[in-house]
Amino acid sequence: QVQLVQSGPELKEPGASVKISCKASGYTFISYSIHWVRQAPGQRLEWMGWINTGTGETKYSQKFQGRITFTRDTHANIVYMELTGLTSEDTTLYHCARVTLNFGGYFDYWGQGTLVTVSS
Amino acid sequence: QSALSQPASVSGSPGQSTTISCTGTSTDIGSYNFVSWYQQHPGAVPKLVLYDVGYRPSGVSGRFSGSKSGYTASLIISGLQAEDEAHYYCSSYRGDRTWVFGGGTKLTVL
Repeated sequence: QVQLVQSGPELKEPGASVKISCKASGYTFISYSIHWVRQAPGQRLEWMGWINTGTGETKYSQKFQGRITFTRDTHANIVYMELTGLTSEDTTLYHCARVTLNFGGYFDYWGQGTLVTVSS
Repeated sequence: QSALSQPASVSGSPGQSTTISCTGTSTDIGSYNFVSWYQQHPGAVPKLVLYDVGYRPSGVSGRFSGSKSGYTASLIISGLQAEDEAHYYCSSYRGDRTWVFGGGTKLTVL
């Protein structure tokens, strides 16, 4: 069955960076893109960007441009998200989600979420 | 980048129907039929309930349906059940390989 399993919770100081992983299984890794979506407690879903797992091409939301990087390991079927310059506003739950590579697309499977806490 | 606009809350009694709206702009909902809807229970991961405006994934109840007119998409839930009580989020492709979510709507089953 399709699974997206994310790395565990992170506690970071302001100004630090965090790198979260999302391991895919149960399907052909390069046939779907991986998107990242974050959600503060009780708040809305916020789209962050995506990576084409086959080509490595990325697209980031303007809000995070310059401090976010997505990479992938096609041998291990893992996607990584690195976010730099952390502030308290980055304290939230981060999800990876699978999206078809067709034009448009929808989020059909989600990772369980990784909680990132930014605090001194 | 502003979110799609959804009502903060809606409610309905068991057995009734309810509609949740999602309003965008000419650059997202108005231009593409790539609207999807997600159900999220407290503490759970979002679950896809509709895609491409009105298509249901396998396993999703036929009580969920969708439509779109102009810049507004709608999720219609008929025959409300207690298990439908959750937050619902819409999403749309926004062109230039970007996506956007709505602010979310809390559905209360009275």
